[in-house]
Amino acid sequence: QQQVKQSPQSLIVQKGGISIINCAYENTAFDYFPWYQQFPGKGPALLIAIRPDVSEKKEGRFTISFNKSAKQFSLHIMDSQPGDSATYFCAARGGGSQGNLIFGKGTKLSVKP
Amino acid sequence: NAGVTQTPKFRILKIGQSMTLQCTQDMNHNYMYWYRQDPGMGLKLIYYSVGAGITDKGEVPNGYNVSRSTTEDFPLRLELAAPSQTSVYFCASTRQSEAFFGQGTRLTVV
Repeated sequence: QQQVKQSPQSLIVQKGGISIINCAYENTAFDYFPWYQQFPGKGPALLIAIRPDVSEKKEGRFTISFNKSAKQFSLHIMDSQPGDSATYFCAARGGGSQGNLIFGKGTKLSVKP
Repeated sequence: NAGVTQTPKFRILKIGQSMTLQCTQDMNHNYMYWYRQDPGMGLKLIYYSVGAGITDKGEVPNGYNVSRSTTEDFPLRLELAAPSQTSVYFCASTRQSEAFFGQGTRLTVV
C-alpha cells in the first residue's frame, strides 16, 4: 500500500512531441505528489508538485494531471526538447508536511532531435 | 548557499571495509534523509532524522548506521561493506514539502 507504481520505464520522444509518464498509488492518506527530474551525475531536483484538492497544475511546458478517484497522476511534457532528456521520478507523501516521500522507480526520457 | 553537500563523490571499498559518507546542509533544515539509488529501482529510504539527536530507520536500514549530532551534519556509516551495498547514495534535506538532494556518492564494493 506504500508503493508508487510508475510507467513506462523508458520513453523515447521526438523533439516537439508530448512526453507522458504515469504513476499510480494505493494509499489514500497520501497528500502531496511531486515529480523530480534527475540529470546524469546529479541529484534529483523538484520539477513540479500537486496536492489532491486540484486536478491539474501547469508550470510552463510541464503539467501534472491528477485523478483522485482512480488514484493516478501523470506528468505531461509539451513540446519536448532534447534538454528534457533525464530520468523522472514521481513520488507521494503521507503523514503531514514532513512525511517521508515514497518514490516511483523512475522513467528515463530521451528526446531525439 | 551550498545546499546539500556530500563527500566523497566516488569510492571503491573492499568487502568488509568500513566507511562514512558525509552529508552537510547549510539551509538549517531539521529533516534529513539518506537514500540509495539502484538502476531501475528508484530511491529507497535508508535512514532519516527529524532533528539533532533523533534518527529513525527507513525502508532499507540493514548494514547502515547514522548519527545526527548537529542540525547541519548527517553522516551515514557502512560497517563491513558488502557487494549488495554497491549503489549511488543520496542525502537530502527538506523544507516543508520540498526535498533538496546532494549530488550523490557512487560507492562500489568489490
